[in-house]
Parts: sequence; C-alpha cells; structure tokens
Amino acid sequence: SYELTQPPSVSVSPGQTASITCSGDKLGDKYACWYQQKPGQSPVLVIYEDSKRPSGIPERFSGSNSGSTATLTISGTQAMDEADYYCQAWDSSTVVFGGGTKLTVL
Amino acid sequence: EVQLLESGGGLVQPGGSLRLSCAASGFTFSSYVMSWVRQAPGRGLEGVSGISGSGGSTYYADSVKGRFTISRDNSKNTLYLQMNSLRAEDTAVYYCAKDGPVWGGKSTFDYWGQGTLVTVSS
Repeated sequence: SYELTQPPSVSVSPGQTASITCSGDKLGDKYACWYQQKPGQSPVLVIYEDSKRPSGIPERFSGSNSGSTATLTISGTQAMDEADYYCQAWDSSTVVFGGGTKLTVL
Repeated sequence: EVQLLESGGGLVQPGGSLRLSCAASGFTFSSYVMSWVRQAPGRGLEGVSGISGSGGSTYYADSVKGRFTISRDNSKNTLYLQMNSLRAEDTAVYYCAKDGPVWGGKSTFDYWGQGTLVTVSS
C-alpha cells in the first residue's frame, strides 16, 4: 500500500520559515494537500492541489510538490501556527495520510 | 455555510456494531464525494471510507474492509457508516469530511465535522 512519510517534529523560531516535508513514491505525479490540526480541534485544510490556498488561509502558507516530495512552507511563522500538520494524497482509489508533523514555535 | 454534524458514536463491546450518521447542510450534497476519516487517541489521521456523489463508487481502508459499510441518502443529505465486528483498535474519533465533486485524484477535504468518539471496550 502507498505510504506518505513526514518528520515527526519540526521546530522554528517566531518570524522564521518552517518547512515540513512529505515523501512518497512519485508523489509529484499526484496532487498533495495539507491540513493543520490544533489540540482538540478538527483538521483544517491549508493547501490543496499542491500549492493552492483556500480562502481565509494566510499568504504565509505555501506548498510545492515535485519528484517524490511535497513541501509545506510557512513564512514568518507565528505562535498561532503551532499545530500538527498532515499531508494527504489519493492513490489507487484510496485516501492516504502522512503520519503527521508536530510544528513547535519556540 | 457548510455544516457537517456527526452522531452515533459511543461505547460498544468488542464484536458489536454501531452506525454513524453525518447530517450535511449548506451545499449540494449529492454533488460531492464524502468520506469518513478517523483518529485514534494520540495518533494521526486515517482515511476509513469514501463514497462518490451518486453512491456508485466507494473505497475502504484495508483495516476496515469487510466490516464497515459506507452509504448515503441524498434525499436526506446524510452520510452513514455502518460498523460491524468492532475491535479495540477501531477506538477513535470519527470525522465526516466533504471532498471534491470528482472521484479520485484531486481528493481534498475542505470541510470537516466536529467528530464523534467511538470507544470499543468490554
């Protein structure tokens, strides 16, 4: 079965750029999206179709996808961005999620 | 405003059954793929099952295949998940999620319900 691999944790200082990766076989040939989940809350879509931002999502969130890696980039990271982030793709008629990355802003 | 309201969760013994429901509003329900996504305590997200707008296409995670059945009633704007032969490892918050209008490749969950907790324990 298809797998998406994310680093368990990423740390960033306020105001700096955070990058979270998601790796999978030929992931660049698929569409990737990203969700943010804060404790006790439902996930929120922050990036879809590799690099598109839903309305209401700040411009500091951006995405890319090429080769075997999709990347979520948060520029000028703020304390409110501290959360778990999950990548997701579709493969062989199944939805696949990455294991999640805990972003710590310190 | 899109709203997804899950119900039907609770405590059930191993081997038991539950049916989850998700009442949808604020969009043309029959035009969209709908899915169930679960999250075990302290764990990540897992895509459980999805169904096309017409109900003609479905998918299931290997972990639930043969035990869970997804369905929808477009006249009632409601999504269902029938869960049989429940196991301890099915314990999780189950989210109803709205996907796109097209089955497959551009799968994107743009709206999520608040989730309903299923606990499988004796």
